[in-house]
Amino acid sequence: DAGITQSPRHKVTETGTPVTLRCHQTENHRYMYWYRQDPGHGLRLIHYSYGVKDTDKGEVSDGYSVSRSKTEDFLLTLESATSSQTSVYFCAISDTRGTDTQYFGPGTRLTVL
Amino acid sequence: QKEVEQNSGPLSVPEGAIASLNCTYSDRGSQSFFWYRQYSGKSPELIMFIYSNGDKEDGRFTAQLNKASQYVSLLIRDSQPSDSATYLCAVIRNNDMRFGAGTRLTVKP
Repeated sequence: DAGITQSPRHKVTETGTPVTLRCHQTENHRYMYWYRQDPGHGLRLIHYSYGVKDTDKGEVSDGYSVSRSKTEDFLLTLESATSSQTSVYFCAISDTRGTDTQYFGPGTRLTVL
Repeated sequence: QKEVEQNSGPLSVPEGAIASLNCTYSDRGSQSFFWYRQYSGKSPELIMFIYSNGDKEDGRFTAQLNKASQYVSLLIRDSQPSDSATYLCAVIRNNDMRFGAGTRLTVKP
């Protein structure tokens, strides 16, 4: 998985609780991304980062926030989880944006009851 | 209309046959095109990328791009049971990578 780890790998939580997912890379890539994958929708971009403290919204950012305090770490937070946020979450990295291949982490399966 | 469309399948081919996976995209300004393979419960892994019209070959895989028709395809020659997976087409538009929902391929021994 190109030097990318995600934690936790599985999580079950209840509606209304905060949840933080972590992505860690050892490749020193500038760009990091959070996607969610749902049946019939493919992968959809939630947020991405282009450097420490530099982040921007993706296609489905409502209900999510992110932070990047170090090059290697990108956190995704669900402030108050809802059942519609039950999904598989993938982190990805790339060296550039717009032309470059993205490499994916192993994923986190999140269930919100 | 979805930005990137793929037939969801399942596509079933016998071992040794050619599997043909298709993808269409809606934005003529799309720049780069990727095929990822995803095994059940695993993360997507890159198979190939293609930027220019025509064919690009890598081993048993050939990607074909036709920008005029807004069409990209992936051919898998001599299909093996280990090729059974979901294949994701991805397109870069305005610096964002957009994914199709994937085509599930089954290669039967």
